[in-house]
Amino acid sequence: NAGVMQNPRHLVRRRGQEARLRCSPMKGHSHVYWYRQLPEEGLKFMVYLQKENIIDESGMPKERFSAEFPKEGPSILRIQQVVRGDSAAYFCASSEGLVGDTQYFGPGTRLTVL
Amino acid sequence: DQQVKQNSPSLSVQEGRISILNCDYTNSMFDYFLWYKKYPAEGPTFLISISSIKDKNEDGRFTVFLNKSAKHLSLHIVPSQPGDSAVYFCAPHAGNNRKLIWGLGTSLAVNP
Repeated sequence: NAGVMQNPRHLVRRRGQEARLRCSPMKGHSHVYWYRQLPEEGLKFMVYLQKENIIDESGMPKERFSAEFPKEGPSILRIQQVVRGDSAAYFCASSEGLVGDTQYFGPGTRLTVL
Repeated sequence: DQQVKQNSPSLSVQEGRISILNCDYTNSMFDYFLWYKKYPAEGPTFLISISSIKDKNEDGRFTVFLNKSAKHLSLHIVPSQPGDSAVYFCAPHAGNNRKLIWGLGTSLAVNP
């Protein structure tokens, strides 16, 4: 049973380019979460999605960031016009969506903005 | 405003001894508390959790204790093994609000 998959594992972008990060949840999981870990900091919640719905985006920066989880395919975290401060590790987690359930994490995507 | 505090950035123990990692929180709405282990360049790995209706949960070498009145929880690992060397995070959430709130972690080193 495959775990949470994220790709790419490493992504290098120049300032002003777009970054697309993909997350495939564990089999049977319909809830996806994105977290970001900036250098020397703890993980911070960004967004929580179910299929075709954004449930909580209270941690998303107001501009340039967007997320989706379509009916078919992986969840996508999109960062437009990247800046150096976007350099971080981006982690995706998935869960069944039950009360008190466990979030299982992928290996992360390390974004470097030059 | 840091809702979850792990006040010991690092901890070093001898193999075979007990490791105790502590976590304090301020939000009384938290009702599920999860512990994750993380190796460098990898994602967090779930270890053990506890609901606020319990004060102890045990799984093999790992035991988590919750003291709600003190808003404090601790993770005990016994016996500690070198493979336990990693950064440990406390990450609670509040019921239907599923976002995990993370501490800064405690780096555990288990020496052979």
